[in-house]
Amino acid sequence: KNQVEQSPQSLIILEGKNCTLQCNYTVSPFSNLRWYKQDTGRGPVSLTIMTFSENTKSNGRYTATLDADTKQSSLHITASQLSDSASYICVVSARTLTGGGNKLTFGTGTQLKVEL
Amino acid sequence: DGGITQSPKYLFRKEGQNVTLSCEQNLNHDAMYWYRQDPGQGLRLIYYSQIVNDFQKGDIAEGYSVSREKKESFPLTVTSAQKNPTAFYLCASSIALSPLRPQSSEQFFGPGTRLTVL
Repeated sequence: KNQVEQSPQSLIILEGKNCTLQCNYTVSPFSNLRWYKQDTGRGPVSLTIMTFSENTKSNGRYTATLDADTKQSSLHITASQLSDSASYICVVSARTLTGGGNKLTFGTGTQLKVEL
Repeated sequence: DGGITQSPKYLFRKEGQNVTLSCEQNLNHDAMYWYRQDPGQGLRLIYYSQIVNDFQKGDIAEGYSVSREKKESFPLTVTSAQKNPTAFYLCASSIALSPLRPQSSEQFFGPGTRLTVL
């Protein structure tokens, strides 16, 4: 069964500090991995996409890493801001055997709160 | 939220009633999806459609129905058969699905509808 596990479940940090969120997956056959940011009461927004051949990708203060061998990904947030407070969801896409589509498996998310 | 709108934002339903959630997109996307989000759980796929007049069941389709009469619209009906409908419902869309195009896995989400059964 395809699964995506995220840790920690929740995290509180002070503004300006860095943090790292973890994602472990058992999705096969692997296509790609995305990190989404979801503000409370809103829909998720894509931050980064990682394909099999990519190890690191940055988007501003967000840096995602992927280790396809160990099936782990991390999202590092640098110099956190109050607006970073949100849920961060790891989503892994598997190739489907028929229909040419991608099947997504969602993690439960890490709830990040940035405080003054 | 891009070019996807959902309405209403909040919806209250009495037990035994059917309700319909609206989802419209102006992104010219071929594929559309409905998810349900519950506290402590990942998003779960209810239904998806890759083309007009065609749709497939997701992982938790029981008690739900959809239609795709227009490319821009993908309404979801929560029927009385759905035993625990209280949840946050998210609609999403993407370009045509293809395993050869990783970017096709990016789904653009609407702002969501929070459904509460009274």
